[in-house]
Order: sequence, then C-alpha cells, then structure tokens
Amino acid sequence: SQQGEEDPQALSIQEGENATMNCSYKTSINNLQWYRQNSGRGLVHLILIRSNEREKHSGRLRVTLDTSKKSSSLLITASRAADTASYFCATGGGANSKLTFGKGITLSVRP
Amino acid sequence: DTAVSQTPKYLVTQMGNDKSIKCEQNLGHDTMYWYKQDSKKFLKIMFSYNNKELIINETVPNRFSPKSPDKAHLNLHINSLELGDSAVYFCASSLGTGAEKLFFGSGTQLSVL
Repeated sequence: SQQGEEDPQALSIQEGENATMNCSYKTSINNLQWYRQNSGRGLVHLILIRSNEREKHSGRLRVTLDTSKKSSSLLITASRAADTASYFCATGGGANSKLTFGKGITLSVRP
Repeated sequence: DTAVSQTPKYLVTQMGNDKSIKCEQNLGHDTMYWYKQDSKKFLKIMFSYNNKELIINETVPNRFSPKSPDKAHLNLHINSLELGDSAVYFCASSLGTGAEKLFFGSGTQLSVL
C-alpha cells in the first residue's frame, strides 16, 4: 500500500518565488527521501533525511522532518524555470526494506 | 557515461506476446530494483536484487520474471503481455540494501495493444 502522500498535488509559482511541498506518511520510518522527475525521464535523488534528524539543507533545498506528526516538507528557494518537474517523497525502513513512493507533486515554475 | 541504462526506451507490442527489458549499472552498486510507474505517475516496487539474490518480491503476477546474471545487470521478462501491463518500467540501483539514494534509469515505456 502507498506510504507517502504529497500535498498539494500541483503547484504553480513565478520564477524567484519559494516552493513548499509537503509529505505525510503512515508508519514508522528509517529515512525519508525526496526525488525529482523531469518529464519523460527517470527519477533523480535530491536529499535524504534520517528519522533522528529534524532539518537538512542542500543548496536551494531545505527538508524538514517531524516524526511525531509523520510529515516532511521540501522547500525550494528562489525557484527557477528548470525546477519545473514532479517531486516525490519516499519512505524507507532500513536494511532489506523497500522504498515506498508517494503520488508526487507537479511543480510548474513560470518564467 | 550513463550510470543506469535500460533498453529499449520504447516497447510497443501486441497482447499475448513475450518481451524483455534489460538493465545495466556501472556504479558498482550491490542492489538493483524494478519499479512500475502507471499513467498517474504512481511508482510501485516490483522486485529487488542484492548481489544476484532476490530480496524483495512484491505481489506481482508470475508472468513477470526478473533475472540477475551478475550484480551489474537485472533484466525483466514479461510473458503473455496484457493491456494492463502498459506502463513505464524503471530500473534503479543503490549501494546497500537499505534502499537509500536510488539511481534510476531513464525508463522503458511499454505499450500493449
């Protein structure tokens, strides 16, 4: 069954604005990951946050994790047209476990 | 230098046919995966292999048979194709068994007519 649920399903913003995407999950996790998928391409790993971490940064990306609320958010600052893509959160349970993906969020950044 | 490559990129075939998709990774990873992405972009894991050993086998019809001749290759053979098999199939790999930081291929779009 599906683990992560992203919110909103679609987001349209102007270039230069920040984009915030949320993910909620149901069971306990070892880590939570965010991936990007450009149209017609494979997924690209963006960032991983472990269950004992609360916040992580990578370039223009900021991820938070609240295990008490079973939720995570991905913030993309100063968005660019090239950030237009689908974004997926995925939850992992550790060794020999599977990575379960949410339905994805479609982000459109208008130039 | 493509890290995870899968072939073919497009596969159009008739119902009832048998087809294969090949995947190779040059990252030295120990674990490889097959994922299926449906028309609504929902990704579901099908299989996972670690060093040629099957470690995850989701509820997939036994018409789907993965084969890993070595840890750099994971192929997917599908027998008696059905309309519902139409989807994009992604191969992926990761360093360990913890499914952390997966590297994905560019996908195989399978259309069953």
